[in-house]
Parts: sequence; structure tokens; C-alpha cells
Amino acid sequence: EAQVTQNPRYLITVTGKKLTVTCSQNMNHEYMSWYRQDPGLGLRQIYYSMNVEVTDKGDVPEGYKVSRKEKRNFPLILESPSPNQTSLYFCASSSPRYEQYFGPGTRLTVT
Amino acid sequence: AQSVAQPEDQVNVAEGNPLTVKCTYSVSGNPYLFWYVQYPNRGLQFLLKYITGDNLVKGSYGFEAEFNKSQTSFHLKKPSALVSDSALYFCAVRQAGTALIFGKGTTLSVSS
Repeated sequence: EAQVTQNPRYLITVTGKKLTVTCSQNMNHEYMSWYRQDPGLGLRQIYYSMNVEVTDKGDVPEGYKVSRKEKRNFPLILESPSPNQTSLYFCASSSPRYEQYFGPGTRLTVT
Repeated sequence: AQSVAQPEDQVNVAEGNPLTVKCTYSVSGNPYLFWYVQYPNRGLQFLLKYITGDNLVKGSYGFEAEFNKSQTSFHLKKPSALVSDSALYFCAVRQAGTALIFGKGTTLSVSS
């Protein structure tokens, strides 16, 4: 089954404790991205990757890092999380016909 | 700058009635336009897209959207709403590369 998976689905952490949210897709898509969803703000892009070893900032990259060492994986790293990064995070990959496939989401709470 | 607007936070419609969820956009060049749906506690699901061709685009679950270049709109429609259509709907426009800019979303509530 074609899918995008994210782990963990839920995470509660404390300010400053480094964390990684993993993302993996099995559709051999070149393009992957991370979004955060906040009430009243819709989805905002954090980072995206056009291919392996190629990443670029989206609209709200501050406080986040990503890496793309292999095509299927695109982890999101928060080196020093802060409460304003409490949000719902989605990973997505894009088909050559521009349709994006989204993961189930990771709900992060930073206290 | 490219942008997309969904002017209604919420749309209420009775089951069996037609529904419209509005979307307007602003892009340079030809737009690539999309609709996604999000059910509670789920990720977004692709509904339909306009890249080129016919202005009326048909998608999943009986939804369709009409591209209107002169009005820069891409409204989502369905002839007969179902209670199960109740969800959060996002319009999106393609930016450089294959990045998407999303609207803030419209909650559709269908009453029985």
C-alpha cells in the first residue's frame, strides 16, 4: 500500500530536549516536505526537499532542521524545542503529477 | 507573492442540498490548484486538482471544482451533500517547484 508514515504520532516533551520525528514514504517520490498545522493558520511549510541531499526552507523554518540522506526518509529535527513549536506536524511526499500524499500527523506538545 | 484565500471559516448545509466551498488565489503565471480534505484526527487527503484543460474538474467522492481564470477562483462543489462530507477542506496553490501554499481551511458541516 502506498503510504507516508510518521513516528511518533504523539509526543510530549520539555523545552530544550532534542527530538526527531521520522517520516518515510514507499512511493519513490523525489519531493518531500514538512508542514505544521495550527488553528486558524492552516498548513504552513517548514522545509522541503526536491531530492536526496537537496533541502530548502519553507515559510516557517526557524527552530527546525531536516536531512535527506536517502529518498524514502525525511526526518524533522528540533534541536531545542520551545513551547511555540507545540503543533500538529505533517510530512508529505509529492507524485510527479503534483499530488501530495500526507502522513497521519504527529501531535507535539512542548512544555 | 502567491497566496490563496478561503473566505469562509465555516459552511453549513443540509444533507441532500448542493454545497460550495469558496477559494480564490493569486499567483504569477498559470496556477496549479488543489483541494484537500481532512477528517478528524487524520492527515490530509487529495480530492482533485486543476493543472490545465477543462475548467470543470471532477474528483473523489463526487466533488468537483470550477476553475475561473477571470475571477481567480477555484470553488469546490458537490450537487448533493452527505453527512459524511463533514470535514475540514483546504484549497492550495502551487508555488515554485512543487511546494504548495494552503488556505486556512473551511469547516464544512452537513446536517441530517
